[in-house]
Amino acid sequence: GQNIDQPTEMTATEGAIVQINCTYQTSGFNGLFWYQQHAGEAPTFLSYNVLDGLEEKGRFSSFLSRSKGYSYLLLKELQMKDSASYLCAVWDNYGQNFVFGPGTRLSVLP
Amino acid sequence: DSGVTQTPKHLITATGQRVTLRCSPRSGDLSVYWYQQSLDQGLQFLIQYYNGEERAKGNILERFSAQQFPDLHSELNLSSLELGDSALYFCASSIPRDNEQFFGPGTRLTVL
Repeated sequence: GQNIDQPTEMTATEGAIVQINCTYQTSGFNGLFWYQQHAGEAPTFLSYNVLDGLEEKGRFSSFLSRSKGYSYLLLKELQMKDSASYLCAVWDNYGQNFVFGPGTRLSVLP
Repeated sequence: DSGVTQTPKHLITATGQRVTLRCSPRSGDLSVYWYQQSLDQGLQFLIQYYNGEERAKGNILERFSAQQFPDLHSELNLSSLELGDSALYFCASSIPRDNEQFFGPGTRLTVL
């Protein structure tokens, strides 16, 4: 089966660093994605990891450990505009299916 | 603006009816993906087309069907609509061998 877990909500302060974790179980892993979605808007792509390690992209970094079925998204120098939902998704090659986690709603406070 | 367009923006219909949602991908993108997002189920992958051919099938109901035309635009057909089909339907597109998907603004479907 397929299962993805993320914390439901997180709160952080402007200028701080926050780490959003994602754990997954899938039969045919072929890549993990992170998307940002502001309320009422479409998701926007943040990152893609298929090999173990850290991918850095400006203020955002994403880490993957395939053996642990674990990923995190790291957001540095938080800004108010980073308040959004963050969706972790896995491409399951066996089922030929994208599986999304429930999303983590991040609130950035002044 | 992602470059992906979807029409209509809003759609209100009754149970038992059939509707068609339309998506135009970004210029040059060959892949089109359809997603459903409801409050209780989150974002669900429905189906992917690549250059006119079905490539991957997710949690798409039998009452739903899709196709991608030679000009690469895609349509999602929803029939025998139920109250539970009320959701935001997103279309996304990507270029070959690229994992970044660009989402359209979505079509909000309300079934009464």
